[in-house]
Amino acid sequence: DADVTQTPRNRITKTGKRIMLECSQTKGHDRMYWYRQDPGLGLRLIYYSFDVKDINKGEISDGYSVSRQAQAKFSLSLESAIPNQTALYFCATSGRDRVGNEQFFGPGTRLTVL
Amino acid sequence: RKEVEQDPGPFNVPEGATVAFNCTYSNSASQSFFWYRQDCRKEPKLLMSVYSSGNEDGRFTAQLNRASQYISLLIRDSKLSDSATYLCVVNRVNYGQNFVFGPGTRLSVLP
Repeated sequence: DADVTQTPRNRITKTGKRIMLECSQTKGHDRMYWYRQDPGLGLRLIYYSFDVKDINKGEISDGYSVSRQAQAKFSLSLESAIPNQTALYFCATSGRDRVGNEQFFGPGTRLTVL
Repeated sequence: RKEVEQDPGPFNVPEGATVAFNCTYSNSASQSFFWYRQDCRKEPKLLMSVYSSGNEDGRFTAQLNRASQYISLLIRDSKLSDSATYLCVVNRVNYGQNFVFGPGTRLSVLP
């Protein structure tokens, strides 16, 4: 079974709709992240959380919100989806912040906003 | 200037070729370094960590030069299955947004 899972894997929605993307992990990591990736561009950080009570904005948080329901779950919401939020979204986790720890990614959610 | 920069690519090479990827980072607080591989429309996956002494894993060799803030990845005897985008990643341990990704360099290995 995958250590980091994302649901849904694909979603098509309309402008103005509220969308929630969910991420779960079984790695026991405290740190979780949401990224988006657009064609030809690198990964951009939306939000990150270092534990259940910690939520931080990344470089492109406008139009998004998150919820850390438990250590293993981190959800990303688009309150009112717009077409330029069409992208591939990745959740990631990492262990304690020490030298050598890498990130582990979920399989991604492909979101299309019409 | 981006914090992590890579060769723009794409690289198109024949099977069996040796290919080198270059990466520079600007934040001297960076402490961990990685190369990730990303296949088209898939998640990034760790290819190898990069250590100061350099490290090798089969056909792959990674080097780190802290003084120059430069990281490299060498792939020898390239295979068709090496075709992917290679991402340089640095971790600024104890910073908030600690993982910083480069834009990636796409590699196509041609038969």
